[in-house]
Amino acid sequence: AQSVTQPDIHITVSEGASLELRCNYSYGATPYLFWYVQSPGQGLQLLLKYFSGDTLVQGIKGFEAEFKRSQSSFNLRKPSVHWSDAAEYFCAVGPTGNQFYFGTGTSLTVIP
Amino acid sequence: DTGVSQNPRHKITKRGQNVTFRCDPISEHNRLYWYRQTLGQGPEFLTYFQNEAQLEKSRLLSDRFSAERPKGSFSTLEIQRTEQGDSAMYLCASSTRGQPYEQYFGPGTRLTVT
Repeated sequence: AQSVTQPDIHITVSEGASLELRCNYSYGATPYLFWYVQSPGQGLQLLLKYFSGDTLVQGIKGFEAEFKRSQSSFNLRKPSVHWSDAAEYFCAVGPTGNQFYFGTGTSLTVIP
Repeated sequence: DTGVSQNPRHKITKRGQNVTFRCDPISEHNRLYWYRQTLGQGPEFLTYFQNEAQLEKSRLLSDRFSAERPKGSFSTLEIQRTEQGDSAMYLCASSTRGQPYEQYFGPGTRLTVT
């Protein structure tokens, strides 16, 4: 069965510090992988995606993610966090048919 | 490009009542998805349209839920005989034929069933 695990429910980092959000997936074939960000009262915004090719993908807002097939992981990173990055982050995998599967999210707090 | 819009943004209803939500996708986006998101969870797939055709529904979608997309433009999601367990955020997303897996999400409709 397809599933996504985001082990960290909540992470707190200092502004300017580096960030890594973990994502592990279970998928029967080569996955398409996504990271989304959701700010309060807003819809989800696509940060980046991996379909194939280079396993290190760059996204918007300075984020990057690395696909590691051997570890079934697709961790999100940012070298220097800004206060405006505080939000909920979701990892997703798919599709199976037309269905996409989302993790339960990681809430990021940024402290000055 | 004005983004995906959803109306209403908030809906409070009493148990047993029917509710209908509307989603207006980005123009010329032929694919449309509905998701449900409960507190502390990620979005959960409900149903998918390609143009006006509803091509896939989640097995979790009870027969109290129905969705339409007449003429392949806006979509409506109706919940009949609402239950307290239906309280959630209902999200709509759309994508294009050329980039089918890049979904653009609306702000959602928050439903509270009392």
